[in-house]
Amino acid sequence: EAGVAQSPRYKIIEKRQSVAFWCNPISGHATLYWYQQILGQGPKLLIQFQNNGVVDDSQLPKDRFSAERLKGVDSTLKIQPAKLEDSAVYLCASSPTTGSLTYEQYFGPGTRLTVT
Amino acid sequence: QKEVEQDPGPLSVPEGAIVSLNCTYSNSAFQYFMWYRQYSRKGPELLMYTYSSGNKEDGRFTAQVDKSSKYISLFIRDSQPSDSATYLCAMKGTSGSRLTFGEGTQLTVNP
Repeated sequence: EAGVAQSPRYKIIEKRQSVAFWCNPISGHATLYWYQQILGQGPKLLIQFQNNGVVDDSQLPKDRFSAERLKGVDSTLKIQPAKLEDSAVYLCASSPTTGSLTYEQYFGPGTRLTVT
Repeated sequence: QKEVEQDPGPLSVPEGAIVSLNCTYSNSAFQYFMWYRQYSRKGPELLMYTYSSGNKEDGRFTAQVDKSSKYISLFIRDSQPSDSATYLCAMKGTSGSRLTFGEGTQLTVNP
């Protein structure tokens, strides 16, 4: 079974530029998550999708971050404009359902963003 | 105050040692408790999962939850160099709620 795929793996941009990350979850997984992991910290949930719909985006800085999941499969996360404090690893995860198995989230390798 | 507190380490032990990793939390609504392992430049992977209080054992790993003290632990017996990674505790309330992670403890097991 293929894992969660993310691209690019690394990205360096200047502040005020825009950037987009792509995620392809495990086939058949209805729930998709985007996390931000700042160096030395645990992952923080930015947004959770159930199929096409947003379940939780309470921690997403909506003035600069946006995410979509078209057709309930792939997802993109965008930052526009980027700030220095956005430097982090952006992790995508997926899980089979929002029922009893949602503790089991499968993470991708992440995209390491550096904002200069 | 953070909802989940985890000793950041780093922790360095000799091969074969018993390792104890700990987290405390403040939210009494947390019911599901997990430990994730994260190797350098990789995403976290689920290691252990416990519902409510009690112990769970899986090979060399034992997870303990004490809800009365709001304290969870992960024990690693006979630690191996391949156990060198960052260990993240995570917890949630209801099955559909968001996971809250600790900051992670970096462990190095020296041959």
